[in-house]
Amino acid sequence: AQTVTQSQPEMSVQEAETVTLSCTYDTSESDYYLFWYKQPPSRQMILVIRQEAYKQQNATENRFSVNFQKAAKSFSLKISDSQLGDAAMYFCAYRRNFGNEKLTFGTGTRLTIIP
Amino acid sequence: EAQVTQNPRYLITVTGKKLTVTCSQNMNHEYMSWYRQDPGLGLRQIYYSMNVEVTDKGDVPEGYKVSRKEKRNFPLILESPSPNQTSLYFCASSLSGLGTAYTEAFFGQGTRLTVV
Repeated sequence: AQTVTQSQPEMSVQEAETVTLSCTYDTSESDYYLFWYKQPPSRQMILVIRQEAYKQQNATENRFSVNFQKAAKSFSLKISDSQLGDAAMYFCAYRRNFGNEKLTFGTGTRLTIIP
Repeated sequence: EAQVTQNPRYLITVTGKKLTVTCSQNMNHEYMSWYRQDPGLGLRQIYYSMNVEVTDKGDVPEGYKVSRKEKRNFPLILESPSPNQTSLYFCASSLSGLGTAYTEAFFGQGTRLTVV
């Protein structure tokens, strides 16, 4: 079974600084997707960024980028120029590329932005 | 607007009183799923459906039922709720790629359920 581990329950960062959230996962499959989701106080699940396992290039979306290390099964999220609106719970998630499209989530990291 | 709609958003009920949380999507998606979110545990899959009349258990199905009679609707049924089912519930849907292409999952707004 696949597992996703987020070892940082809480993180904080000064506004405009850079922060990195960690995620490791365990799987025996070679074809899968990895995601970071943001959950603000509104509870809505918002997709931040996606990485396909077969792509060596790290995904980027504006101020958000990932460091995908497939051999190490590591998938960290870097947020640059942190803004107050980035404050939220962040979940790392895994999904295999066939069958049940289940998302396997980590336990989350609560990010606080310090003005 | 493409969306997944859950109702109700908040619900307080008593132990043993049957309840249904509705989920509807307007994107003609084949795949639908229910998750529960608990502090320190993240989101865990309860049940999923890959198409009409096709449902299967996820990781934490005990105490729940689902049905998929129409493509757009996927209700979650708690026939005899217990306090350990107090949680935040999410419905999600996606256009099943069956492994041929990526399809984004769309989430509902969440249902906060309290069982006393």
